Amino acid sequence: GNSVTQMEGPVTLSEEAFLTINCTYTATGYPSLFWYVQYPGEGLQLLLKATKADDKGSNKGFEATYRKETTSFHLEKGSVQVSDSAVYFCALSTPGDNQGGKLIFGQGTELSVKP
Amino acid sequence: DGGITQSPKYLFRKEGQNVTLSCEQNLNHDAMYWYRQDPGQGLRLIYYSQIVNDFQKGDIAEGYSVSREKKESFPLTVTSAQKNPTAFYLCASSHPPSSGSYNEQFFGPGTRLTVL
Repeated sequence: GNSVTQMEGPVTLSEEAFLTINCTYTATGYPSLFWYVQYPGEGLQLLLKATKADDKGSNKGFEATYRKETTSFHLEKGSVQVSDSAVYFCALSTPGDNQGGKLIFGQGTELSVKP
Repeated sequence: DGGITQSPKYLFRKEGQNVTLSCEQNLNHDAMYWYRQDPGQGLRLIYYSQIVNDFQKGDIAEGYSVSREKKESFPLTVTSAQKNPTAFYLCASSHPPSSGSYNEQFFGPGTRLTVL
């Protein structure tokens, strides 16, 4: 079945450091890929998305490229801020699979950025 | 502003009691979803509905029930049959997926249920 694997957290960085959170997936067909962010005590917000191979999603300085050859969608940011501290979820969806378009999530990676 | 509301934010119940969590959206979305989140884990799908008066079981539906009488509302009942109901519950909605289109889901703020 379809699945998503993320690097384990927590990840602790200093402000202005470079961030990478690894995400790999297993899926039949051609999934769409997403990164969601969850701030403490809140629901999830869509951070960025990519719907086909080689697409790059970007938002708020974060980027991720859909790599079909390595089945990966790693999240990167060149310079993190304290306000980026949150839990990040990688997810996939395979439209047209008769599963209602459900999202399959990785286990989440907690990021803590210190001043 | 359009969005998804969940109430209450925190809910406490005694073991053996049924409890209903509210989810309302004014985004005119046809599809709605309920997820459960446990510490250190990703979200797991409980139920979903693609249209009014229709819903389907997700991966962990046992001990839960839902209804979809209105497009805007998708309440979740946690029954006494759910063995470990203490968790964070998230509701989401989206336009229904169609061939070739992706499924961007919008999430509510969540309800944290604690069973004592």
